[in-house]
Amino acid sequence: ELKVEQNPLFLSMQEGKNYTIYCNYSTTSDRLYWYRQDPGKSLESLFVLLSNGAVKQEGRLMASLDTKARLSTLHITAAVHDLSATYFCAVDGVIQGAQKLVFGQGTRLTINP
Amino acid sequence: KAGVTQTPRYLIKTRGQQVTLSCSPISGHRSVSWYQQTPGQGLQFLFEYFSETQRNKGNFPGRFSGRQFSNSRSEMNVSTLELGDSALYLCASSLVLGQETQYFGPGTRLLVL
Repeated sequence: ELKVEQNPLFLSMQEGKNYTIYCNYSTTSDRLYWYRQDPGKSLESLFVLLSNGAVKQEGRLMASLDTKARLSTLHITAAVHDLSATYFCAVDGVIQGAQKLVFGQGTRLTINP
Repeated sequence: KAGVTQTPRYLIKTRGQQVTLSCSPISGHRSVSWYQQTPGQGLQFLFEYFSETQRNKGNFPGRFSGRQFSNSRSEMNVSTLELGDSALYLCASSLVLGQETQYFGPGTRLLVL
């Protein structure tokens, strides 16, 4: 069964600092997604990583994918308050013959001034 | 172009009742997926529809059902509501089945009393 695990689950950091969120998954997949969710809101797509070694950057966020290690990272550079949100990674997988998107538990990020 | 829309946005029902939620995908998108989000279980895949046919299904009881119309709009129905069905129900659309970035709607927040 495909399992997706994120860590940490909670992260409180100061503005200006750097940090990394990790996403591990248990079976082979060539497609990994990162989403952002603000409180009470829906999911906003951040990145789609399609191949081993893929790296994508948008502003202060950078995501990478290592399919051999089954690991993706979301790196935050010089954090600002506006990045406070819950971040989810999700992996495409086939479970019992069905294609499914399996989400991690989410990382609740709080950035303090 | 307009995003994914879901109606209603909020709903309160009592145990034993049934409920129907609606999702209109982005124009031109033919695949619609449904997810349940709860604090305890996180984001879980319910089902996916493409060309009016259910293509994938998650591990939910038969009380959860859905359908898709010829204009790609989708409805989800939950019968005999239980307290544990209280959740945010998210709909996502994509151009084709399974292999594209999904765009999420704002969600329907269901409270079962």
